[in-house]
Amino acid sequence: TQLLEQSPQFLSIQEGENLTVYCNSSSVFSSLQWYRQEPGEGPVLLVTVVTGGEVKKLKRLTFQFGDARKDSSLHITAAQPGDTGLYLCAGAGYGGSQGNLIFGKGTKLSVKP
Amino acid sequence: NAGVTQTPKFRVLKTGQSMTLLCAQDMNHEYMYWYRQDPGMGLRLIHYSVGEGTTAKGEVPDGYNVSRLKKQNFLLGLESAAPSQTSVYFCASSYSNLAGHTEAFFGQGTRLTVV
Repeated sequence: TQLLEQSPQFLSIQEGENLTVYCNSSSVFSSLQWYRQEPGEGPVLLVTVVTGGEVKKLKRLTFQFGDARKDSSLHITAAQPGDTGLYLCAGAGYGGSQGNLIFGKGTKLSVKP
Repeated sequence: NAGVTQTPKFRVLKTGQSMTLLCAQDMNHEYMYWYRQDPGMGLRLIHYSVGEGTTAKGEVPDGYNVSRLKKQNFLLGLESAAPSQTSVYFCASSYSNLAGHTEAFFGQGTRLTVV
């Protein structure tokens, strides 16, 4: 069974601070996705990383896929209240996972003004 | 743009009652999924479908049944609801196999409480 461990589970910071969320596994994934979920809504895709070592930037958000394709990180620079939400990493595996997404348990981020 | 629409948005059931959750997508996607989201557990796959007329079990299928009679619709049924099925249910769809790095589009969720 492939598992994705996310840390931290909860994060409460002040506006302007930087933060990093981690997503780790002992399994190799063909790609990793990061979703953001707001209360009462479904998850929305932020980014997909495919190549080991890949770095993608989305405004103040930087996503990195580990060289071995077992882990990923999300770094937010100068967090704003609008970044508040649940951040989920999701891995797409090979073969036996039937091509479905395996989700981490999420990081609940609260950014206070 | 409707995307993925789930009906109903909220429901309270008594133990033993049955109900069907409806998911409709207007993006002509082949793949559809039902997840449940519980506090501290993340999203867990219940059942999925890789095309009209096909269904398959996911990680937590017990107590649920599904049908995909039309490409745009994916139904999730609870035959005899139990309190353990209290959860938020999300339907999702994707154009192709998710191992192909494609995006999953989610509905807004159905909050189900079984008392």
